[in-house]
Amino acid sequence: GEDVEQSLFLSVREGDSSVINCTYTDSSSTYLYWYKQEPGAGLQLLTYIFSNMDMKQDQRLTVLLNKKDKHLSLRIADTQTGDSAIYFCAESIGQKLVFGQGTRLTINP
Amino acid sequence: NAGVTQTPKFQVLKTGQSMTLQCAQDMNHNSMYWYRQDPGMGLRLIYYSASEGTTDKGEVPNGYNVSRLNKREFSLRLESAAPSQTSVYFCAGGTDLTYEQYFGPGTRLTVT
Repeated sequence: GEDVEQSLFLSVREGDSSVINCTYTDSSSTYLYWYKQEPGAGLQLLTYIFSNMDMKQDQRLTVLLNKKDKHLSLRIADTQTGDSAIYFCAESIGQKLVFGQGTRLTINP
Repeated sequence: NAGVTQTPKFQVLKTGQSMTLQCAQDMNHNSMYWYRQDPGMGLRLIYYSASEGTTDKGEVPNGYNVSRLNKREFSLRLESAAPSQTSVYFCAGGTDLTYEQYFGPGTRLTVT
């Protein structure tokens, strides 16, 4: 079946890199996504990667995809207090998205 | 562009009451979606509409109905609210080629 797994919590020091990991089960997923949710707000699309790519970089964000292991990661360089949020990964199943439970990123001064 | 808008932002219902959550998008998306978000459970798809005139069930459709009124608007109706439907409801519009979804700000619903 379709399942997306993430660890629930991550804590990093301000200025360090954050790496949020995700595993998914459907090998036919065409696209994989990372969303950010701040308190009281909707989900904001950060970036997405096509399944035939293994890396995508966008400013401070780097997405790595290991299709063989069905593993996706999001690296945030030079983590700032404004990066505190819940991060969701998602896989596309046709037009539908299946979301993980979200990883709450906490930044320590 | 407002993107995806949802009304109301907050709502409190008594068990058995009905209500309709409204969603509109000005991004010219063919597909639209309704999700609910509960603590520790991520987002679960309630219903979606791949195009104007079509609707399909998602993972948790029981207790809900939807209407795709036109290309812009997709409403979610609770006919007889139950406490288990206390949640945050998100509407999204989706692109055709890369299936990105863009979310509204949510409706926080409490059923007592």
